[in-house]
Amino acid sequence: ETGVTQTPRHLVMGMTNKKSLKCEQHLGHNAMYWYKQSAKKPLELMFVYNFKEQTENNSVPSRFSPECPNSSHLFLHLHTLQPEDSALYLCASSPETSGEGQFFGPGTRLTVL
Amino acid sequence: SQKIEQNSEALNIQEGKTATLTCNYTNYSPAYLQWYRQDPGRGPVFLLLIRENEKEKRKERLKVTFDTTLKQSLFHITASQPADSATYLCAARGGADGLTFGKGTHLIIQP
Repeated sequence: ETGVTQTPRHLVMGMTNKKSLKCEQHLGHNAMYWYKQSAKKPLELMFVYNFKEQTENNSVPSRFSPECPNSSHLFLHLHTLQPEDSALYLCASSPETSGEGQFFGPGTRLTVL
Repeated sequence: SQKIEQNSEALNIQEGKTATLTCNYTNYSPAYLQWYRQDPGRGPVFLLLIRENEKEKRKERLKVTFDTTLKQSLFHITASQPADSATYLCAARGGADGLTFGKGTHLIIQP
């Protein structure tokens, strides 16, 4: 519906698991983003990629590892997460990194047990 | 640190009236502000962008203002409808390339 898809939509994992979130955009954009949305908190920027290069890491713990193999795909690899990492993880894209609105995917609802 | 504040967590408006949402920013001067709509269980949807040299911007029943003296943006929905009920997010460029968001205002339009 928005041109940005995310899989899976829901994920439950234990603290020792390794999983990956996938994002794909069909809009021909050059910038892609990962955000975290927790209850009662504003959206928090995690990572920014521009033309496949990481341009921002917003002090995110190393248990979150992004990967951007091309301008259309973005992954978030997860390992040894904590229960407080449970949140909605949103992917977004935009034509460039400034001066444009961002297009968001539906998000992955992550629960860490 | 840079902050975006939306001072109303929730706002109840009667159908047909104008809803006005407020966004204040502190400790920086963003080149532009953006407004998004988010429905439960969905990602935010981009609505409008207003630049610092623009006083006002309109799109159908939506109007956004940007006052750099007051460090404030106002978001108006005229002739509000129950379908306008959602959470509205204000955002501005934060660090190098990403956006800093406010917590959002949950708008409820009552029939």
